[in-house]
Amino acid sequence: GAGVSQSPSNKVTEKGKDVELRCDPISGHTALYWYRQSLGQGLEFLIYFQGNSAPDKSGLPSDRFSAERTGGSVSTLTIQRTQQEDSAVYLCASSLRLADSTDTQYFGPGTRLTVL
Amino acid sequence: AQKITQTQPGMFVQEKEAVTLDCTYDTSDPSYGLFWYKQPSSGEMIFLIYQGSYDQQNATEGRYSLNFQKARKSANLVISASQLGDSAMYFCAMRPSNTGGFKTIFGAGTRLFVKA
Repeated sequence: GAGVSQSPSNKVTEKGKDVELRCDPISGHTALYWYRQSLGQGLEFLIYFQGNSAPDKSGLPSDRFSAERTGGSVSTLTIQRTQQEDSAVYLCASSLRLADSTDTQYFGPGTRLTVL
Repeated sequence: AQKITQTQPGMFVQEKEAVTLDCTYDTSDPSYGLFWYKQPSSGEMIFLIYQGSYDQQNATEGRYSLNFQKARKSANLVISASQLGDSAMYFCAMRPSNTGGFKTIFGAGTRLFVKA
């Protein structure tokens, strides 16, 4: 079956512009996660969605970042008034179930964002 | 505090030899899952192997095995018969169950170079 897909694969934008990043999780996966990975660094958790529950936004770095998930499937991460420090790879992952430490996240290919 | 530590920023191994990538973790939760991911230069995070905290046997998946030493809180990844395609970043991750389940914690990663 299809894996997690993300679009666009690359995005170059000018400082101050808004960007939208899209994630299509694996069909049937109820949990969806967004991470940020700066160059040569590990993963920084941003936000997660579980089913129709309110998302946990505790990892979002500022109020310029927001995300939504429509119909429990596709998710969009929006960054408003982009700054150069927002340049990173944004990774999306999905998993089958949440309340279990065996739950395995499967990642998409990421969106590389460059803010000029 | 819950934490993953990967002390080797970079490792070299000769093709066809085995290599061990170190990972130590810290959690007070008795129930947790441990994961290893591979991130090649393409950027996608590829799930390799999972170990549960209550599992009696070390996990194995093909050439990958996880050397789980619970008392030492270590979960080292062993790659046998290294191949050139194994050159990549490797991330160790932990998912404790007491955080509500969703927050998988990632280490900083180890970059593996396989020499021909």
